[in-house]
Amino acid sequence: GAGVSQSPSNKVTEKGKDVELRCDPISGHTALYWYRQSLGQGLEFLIYFQGNSAPDKSGLPSDRFSAERTGGSVSTLTIQRTQQEDSAVYLCASSPAYDFTYEQYFGPGTRLTVT
Amino acid sequence: ILNVEQSPQSLHVQEGDSTNFTCSFPSSNFYALHWYRWETAKSPEALFVMTLNGDEKKKGRISATLNTKEGYSYLYIKGSQPEDSATYLCAFWKGGSEKLVFGKGTKLTVNP
Repeated sequence: GAGVSQSPSNKVTEKGKDVELRCDPISGHTALYWYRQSLGQGLEFLIYFQGNSAPDKSGLPSDRFSAERTGGSVSTLTIQRTQQEDSAVYLCASSPAYDFTYEQYFGPGTRLTVT
Repeated sequence: ILNVEQSPQSLHVQEGDSTNFTCSFPSSNFYALHWYRWETAKSPEALFVMTLNGDEKKKGRISATLNTKEGYSYLYIKGSQPEDSATYLCAFWKGGSEKLVFGKGTKLTVNP
């Protein structure tokens, strides 16, 4: 079946511009997670969704970051007024439920470069 | 601060060698430990999710063990092949936490 997809696969943007990253989870997966990997760092948790709800937004690096999920499916991560330190690979994952005894299914990521 | 440490950071082996690497995590309030394989230009792929002390899991030539009391897990690859070349990530779930915490990974290169 179809896995997790993300778009775009690569995004180069100028500092100060807004970007929107999209994630399509596996159909029927109620939990969705966003991570990012900056150069030389491990995967950093950003936010999770149970259905359309994001109970804890404290993992978002700044108030320039926001995320939403609609219809219990597609999620978008929006970064406003991008900065060079936002350059990273942004990964989305989904699982059948919000329960870390389930494995997570990852998308291929969006590589964001802020110039 | 919850730290998950992986060692070594990188590893080069010859085809046919067996190898292993380590994931260390806080031993208190353990809930789950994940292993993922991340090949270049691909999505991270789950290998194992382990929840019980003493767990041993196997998938083909890859196996993992878990010691929650001392806070470590080993990943073993028997008879490494070039297609095993990837970064291997572990991730820890502590009870009461709302997220998985990932290590920085071990990058394995298998030379033909």
